[in-house]
Amino acid sequence: DTEVTQTPKHLVMGMTNKKSLKCEQHMGHRAMYWYKQKAKKPPELMFVYSYEKLSINESVPSRFSPECPNSSLLNLHLHALQPEDSALYLCASSQALLGPQHFGDGTRLSIL
Amino acid sequence: TQLLEQSPQFLSIQEGENLTVYCNSSSVFSSLQWYRQEPGEGPVLLVTVVTGGEVKKLKRLTFQFGDARKDSSLHITAAQPGDTGLYLCAGSSWAGKSTFGDGTTLTVKP
Repeated sequence: DTEVTQTPKHLVMGMTNKKSLKCEQHMGHRAMYWYKQKAKKPPELMFVYSYEKLSINESVPSRFSPECPNSSLLNLHLHALQPEDSALYLCASSQALLGPQHFGDGTRLSIL
Repeated sequence: TQLLEQSPQFLSIQEGENLTVYCNSSSVFSSLQWYRQEPGEGPVLLVTVVTGGEVKKLKRLTFQFGDARKDSSLHITAAQPGDTGLYLCAGSSWAGKSTFGDGTTLTVKP
């Protein structure tokens, strides 16, 4: 069992919907990450939070909005997504910014 | 931008064979991680190497970090079908970013 929990596991939404992806870890890690992964490709970094502050935004479109309510939770708010945004969205955490990352099993997102 | 070149991209071998996966860069990394990812799951951390020249063993897997901390290799001895998966190397920079290689899809046939 992974120590990083992501919900939901699967999400199908229309281009006009608003939804949120959730990520939770209780390992006391202070850095959390969102990645996007297409089939048979490596994860692409989207956002990094360190001590609940946004540290890195890899020029992600504004239709993706991250939020870190506390040190254990990380959300990704989705609005007006495009079909090309369909992918596996992975959350990860690490003890500190430079540390090895522990990944959740991801949310499989499909945009109709 | 730090790039990691991983090779080979695809590898299909018979059970019992040995294999090596390479991860190369022109950049120096503070540390390098190897992950294995199976379909429908997130990447699972296998090892972190930090010191140039470091060698770590995990059962039949041997990981090596280059002396200059720019490259790494993963060697699997006597591969088994359970080793099948996507192997990813990731280099950590001092800025807090992880750069992933393109991955090696390994298939071990019984």
